[in-house]
Amino acid sequence: NAGVMQNPRHLVRRRGQEARLRCSPMKGHSHVYWYRQLPEEGLKFMVYLQKENIIDESGMPKERFSAEFPKEGPSILRIQQVVRGDSAAYFCASSPGSGGDEQYFGPGTRLTVT
Amino acid sequence: RKEVEQDPGPFNVPEGATVAFNCTYSNSASQSFFWYRQDCRKEPKLLMSVYSSGNEDGRFTAQLNRASQYISLLIRDSKLSDSATYLCVVNKSNYQLIWGAGTKLIIKP
Repeated sequence: NAGVMQNPRHLVRRRGQEARLRCSPMKGHSHVYWYRQLPEEGLKFMVYLQKENIIDESGMPKERFSAEFPKEGPSILRIQQVVRGDSAAYFCASSPGSGGDEQYFGPGTRLTVT
Repeated sequence: RKEVEQDPGPFNVPEGATVAFNCTYSNSASQSFFWYRQDCRKEPKLLMSVYSSGNEDGRFTAQLNRASQYISLLIRDSKLSDSATYLCVVNKSNYQLIWGAGTKLIIKP
């Protein structure tokens, strides 16, 4: 049973470019969460999605950031017009249900903005 | 007050020692509790869920005190490989988990 998959593992973008981060949840999991982690800091919740629905995006910046989890295919976190401050590790997690179930994490995507 | 508070670190502990982590949470309605570990530059990994009756997994013991809104993790006979950051996690609502800032553990030979 494959775990949570994320790609790419490393992404380098110049300021102003777009970054697309992908996440495939564990088989049987329909709940996806995105987190950001800056160096030497804790995890910060960004957004929680179920298939075709954004349930909670309270942790996501209002501008330049968007997320989706289509009926088919992986969840996508999209960052438009990246800035240096977007450089971080972005982790995706999935859970089998809500109700405070434990979350299982992918290996993360390390975004570097030059 | 933070929703989930952990001991500030780092903890520097000799190999073989017993180490205890403490965590307090503010939401008395929380029902789910977990300990995760995170190695440097890696993803968090579930270490154990915490049950009301307390639970043990090998050298690791987790306890929950609902009255005091307090969770603990005990590691016995610590190994070098236990060096990591330990994250206390509590559910806030029926879907959202709140993550503590983590306590870094360094096991010294």
